[in-house]
Amino acid sequence: DGGITQSPKYLFRKEGQNVTLSCEQNLNHDAMYWYRQDPGQGLRLIYYSQIVNDFQKGDIAEGYSVSREKKESFPLTVTSAQKNPTAFYLCASSIGIDGSTDTQYFGPGTRLTVL
Amino acid sequence: SQQGEEDPQALSIQEGENATMNCSYKTSINNLQWYRQNSGRGLVHLILIRSNEREKHSGRLRVTLDTSKKSSSLLITASRAADTASYFCATVPSGGSYIPTFGRGTSLIVHP
Repeated sequence: DGGITQSPKYLFRKEGQNVTLSCEQNLNHDAMYWYRQDPGQGLRLIYYSQIVNDFQKGDIAEGYSVSREKKESFPLTVTSAQKNPTAFYLCASSIGIDGSTDTQYFGPGTRLTVL
Repeated sequence: SQQGEEDPQALSIQEGENATMNCSYKTSINNLQWYRQNSGRGLVHLILIRSNEREKHSGRLRVTLDTSKKSSSLLITASRAADTASYFCATVPSGGSYIPTFGRGTSLIVHP
């Protein structure tokens, strides 16, 4: 089965804690993305990566960090510096980012709640 | 920043009726995509239309693009209860980062 997996599906965090959300893909895609979705809102880009060992900030990167050590994996850490982290987090991938291969494939999402 | 904005924000129809939702954007695009999201799930790609195309079809879906008006529409014909979901447009800018920007979505409810 090819696709994107995210874990966990639900995550609870106490204030002041860092948490890491997992995203794995076996589609052999070069590009991966992290989005945040709040109720009734669209998707806002947190970080994206076009290639292993490289990543770029999106529109709302403050309080988040990522790594891309392997092509298949793009974990997102929500740090204690993120003031309002409760949201639905979506990971996506695409073949590349070049204007011709932009269709994104999404994982099922992780719902993070800060207690 | 959200470039694509969908209209209406919410749409409620009966099974068998057609559903039309619109997307407006502000800057030049390479392509425009429509996605569907069932409640609490990830997004699923429906259709991509390039800036030099005016209309595309996929099953019961019809997408139009008017670059002079910077707008697109998604038509779902003969809707079914299973079409109940949120629909998002995503615009990919031309000559730039090629990163899609998503709108806030249209919430569609199809009553059986």
